[in-house]
Amino acid sequence: QQQVKQSPQSLIVQKGGISIINCAYENTAFDYFPWYQQFPGKGPALLIAIRPDVSEKKEGRFTISFNKSAKQFSLHIMDSQPGDSATYFCAAVPGAQKLVFGQGTRLTINP
Amino acid sequence: KAGVTQTPRYLIKTRGQQVTLSCSPISGHRSVSWYQQTPGQGLQFLFEYFSETQRNKGNFPGRFSGRQFSNSRSEMNVSTLELGDSALYLCASSLLGGRDTGELFFGEGSRLTVL
Repeated sequence: QQQVKQSPQSLIVQKGGISIINCAYENTAFDYFPWYQQFPGKGPALLIAIRPDVSEKKEGRFTISFNKSAKQFSLHIMDSQPGDSATYFCAAVPGAQKLVFGQGTRLTINP
Repeated sequence: KAGVTQTPRYLIKTRGQQVTLSCSPISGHRSVSWYQQTPGQGLQFLFEYFSETQRNKGNFPGRFSGRQFSNSRSEMNVSTLELGDSALYLCASSLLGGRDTGELFFGEGSRLTVL
């Protein structure tokens, strides 16, 4: 079964610091790697996504880094703010199959 | 454009009862997926419907079932409820199940508590 392994499960970062969440996938052909952000009481929402032919994508303070050879991708949040406190899910799209989600990371930004 | 609407938002049931949850997808979206979210298990895929046909099914017992109507609205049903069924049930709609862009549009969920 295709899996995406996400770490850490929880993360506490000081305001202004860099938050880093990592994901690793198994040996299969994934077409797309989206990250979702979920605030308490809300459903997850797409934050940023990257294709495997790109090594990095940046949108504001959020950056996805992709390492195809290591089968890993990560989310970096620069200058982390208390409003970034949420649960983050990485995911992968395996061709014509359904999305595969990581286990989630609960991020807390301390003021 | 209206988002994904899930009803009811909150409900309390007792063991052995059954429950039906409803999801209205974004207009024009033909794919509806259902997920179970619990604190320790993340997002667990239940099933996906596309144009009234079940396209994928997760590893849940037969007590969990769903369907999709011709207007793309979807329902899921859980029969003979167990305490462990307490969870947030999320519905997500998309054009192609996220296979094109990786984007699913989630509703706010139905929080089920089983006593």
